[in-house]
Amino acid sequence: GAGVSQTPSNKVTEKGKYVELRCDPISGHTALYWYRQSLGQGPEFLIYFQGTGAADDSGLPNDRFFAVRPEGSVSTLKIQRTERGDSAVYLCASSKDPVNYEQYFGPGTRLTVT
Amino acid sequence: AQSVAQPEDQVNVAEGNPLTVKCTYSVSGNPYLFWYVQYPNRGLQFLLKYITGDNLVKGSYGFEAEFNKSQTSFHLKKPSALVSDSALYFCAVRGVQTGANNLFFGTGTRLTVIP
Repeated sequence: GAGVSQTPSNKVTEKGKYVELRCDPISGHTALYWYRQSLGQGPEFLIYFQGTGAADDSGLPNDRFFAVRPEGSVSTLKIQRTERGDSAVYLCASSKDPVNYEQYFGPGTRLTVT
Repeated sequence: AQSVAQPEDQVNVAEGNPLTVKCTYSVSGNPYLFWYVQYPNRGLQFLLKYITGDNLVKGSYGFEAEFNKSQTSFHLKKPSALVSDSALYFCAVRGVQTGANNLFFGTGTRLTVIP
């Protein structure tokens, strides 16, 4: 079946601009996660949705970052006033059940801020 | 708090030999542990998990991992390495705070299988 998809695959933006990254989870998966992976590092947690609500946003680095999941399926990660330090691969994952089931990851969006 | 450590940045093994990729964890309570593999230009792929039960967990592509509570380890193993196993491997532990279901990843180990 279809896996987690993310668009765009690559995004280049100028410092100070606003960007939106989209994630389509696996159908029927209620839990959705956003992670950020910098070069040479493991993914770092940003935010977790259970259904439409953000159950845990403790990983968001500051208030320039925001994410929504209005209908409990597709999610959008929004970054305002981008900075060069935001450059990374942004990964989305979904799972059938947040406790006992594994997370399935999308291919990621590579964000480059110039 | 919870964390995992992957002490080796790079592991090289000859094709056909057994491989081990090491992971140790630190978590209060019972750990939920995972291994993922990342191929170039592809997303993280789930290999296996330990939640409870048998300490030896079998996963995808012939991989297995052994949970060792006394040594707080969860090493990934395969009896006979293939060149196609060459990739970046990540160990992860689930958060333990109430309502926390995110994963904490190690820094990754690059496995190279030499033909």
